[in-house]
Amino acid sequence: GQQLNQSPQSMFIQEGEDVSMNCTSSSIFNTWLWYKQDPGEGPVLLIALYKAGELTSNGRLTAQFGITRKDSFLNISASIPSDVGIYFCAGLRGSQGNLIFGKGTKLSVKP
Amino acid sequence: NAGVTQTPKFQVLKTGQSMTLQCAQDMNHNSMYWYRQDPGMGLRLIYYSASEGTTDKGEVPNGYNVSRLNKREFSLRLESAAPSQTSVYFCASSEVWQLNTEAFFGQGTRLTVV
Repeated sequence: GQQLNQSPQSMFIQEGEDVSMNCTSSSIFNTWLWYKQDPGEGPVLLIALYKAGELTSNGRLTAQFGITRKDSFLNISASIPSDVGIYFCAGLRGSQGNLIFGKGTKLSVKP
Repeated sequence: NAGVTQTPKFQVLKTGQSMTLQCAQDMNHNSMYWYRQDPGMGLRLIYYSASEGTTDKGEVPNGYNVSRLNKREFSLRLESAAPSQTSVYFCASSEVWQLNTEAFFGQGTRLTVV
């Protein structure tokens, strides 16, 4: 099946550091979404991207829809302990079809 | 406004037992989905219902059945549970079938099959 390659798998960072993670695919996507999952909870949408080249921010989070439409990036600036969780990218190939999820990036923040 | 509500939150089954996971949404969304989440595997789609009255298989449908009871409710049934179905199950809904809209997730059902 279609796959999204999400990296890194896990990150251990110090509070205050910036974080970068990305998702890549061999296929073109029309929509990229970034979700965060807190322990014991369901994923919650952070940022949605609908156009190639689009750069969108949500507080300390910034995500970009790659120009090639085959990748997306999520950056978190000045991390804090509550940023801990698993971050998932998800992509939609066309106007119909189902979201495809990456395997997630597990973020740990040391105070 | 509760969003997407799943019941139960936790369940332990013996191999061969059956059970139904319930999901309801109060956002008047047309589309609903069932995913399973396993360590290191991300979220995999089991079944979805693009609109009331329709259901379709996702990536991993074997061993499951679904019912779209009405616009609000979408249930997932395990007829004969197997240890391989130990997982966390998430229900989600979206306004329209993935048409540039995001899915909203429930809190999950943690199922263990022994």
